[in-house]
Amino acid sequence: DVKVTQSSRYLVKRTGEKVFLECVQDMDHENMFWYRQDPGLGLRLIYFSYDVKMKEKGDIPEGYSVSREKKERFSLILESASTNQTSMYLCASSRTGIREQYFGPGTRLTVT
Amino acid sequence: GESVGLHLPTLSVQEGDNSIINCAYSNSASDYFIWYKQESGKGPQFIIDIRSNMDKRQGQRVTVLLNKTVKHLSLQIAATQPGDSAVYFCAENIDTGFQKLVFGTGTRLLVSP
Repeated sequence: DVKVTQSSRYLVKRTGEKVFLECVQDMDHENMFWYRQDPGLGLRLIYFSYDVKMKEKGDIPEGYSVSREKKERFSLILESASTNQTSMYLCASSRTGIREQYFGPGTRLTVT
Repeated sequence: GESVGLHLPTLSVQEGDNSIINCAYSNSASDYFIWYKQESGKGPQFIIDIRSNMDKRQGQRVTVLLNKTVKHLSLQIAATQPGDSAVYFCAENIDTGFQKLVFGTGTRLLVSP
């Protein structure tokens, strides 16, 4: 079974802090994705990566950056956390293509 | 069906009933459409997809129907079980130079024993 793990299930940070969300997949997948999920808004793509050291902006990249130094790991960085970044963050990976993505359990981030 | 906003549409059914979850999509150029299921406390899980040149595809207890004329997608679940209780998302692929999925806002399915 494909396993996508995220470093924390719950995280509380203060406004202005730098926040790192880590994601690791164990199936040698090429593609990795970061989404945020908010009530009634579905999943919105923040950033994605099709290869090591490669990144592309999704639909809502403002306030975020990413890093993919190794194939299995994709990190989401909030440079200066703000209260409007309080959300559920979901990481996903896929082998080839984008249809069948495997998601981690999510990190619920609260910024106070 | 799905809608933008804070309220999540909910479909309540009895165990054993057939369920139909609807989705309206926006991009006529999408090559395929996908349904995901998200159980409480978990990430979404792929259920089934359908290519844009098809109008029906069947899986195990699930059928997806695509009506391109009215840009409508539906997921039918036969003999719904309590384990089917979840939020269901439709998604479509968008090509902006890179392929990506755009998800709908979701429909909650509640199955009563």
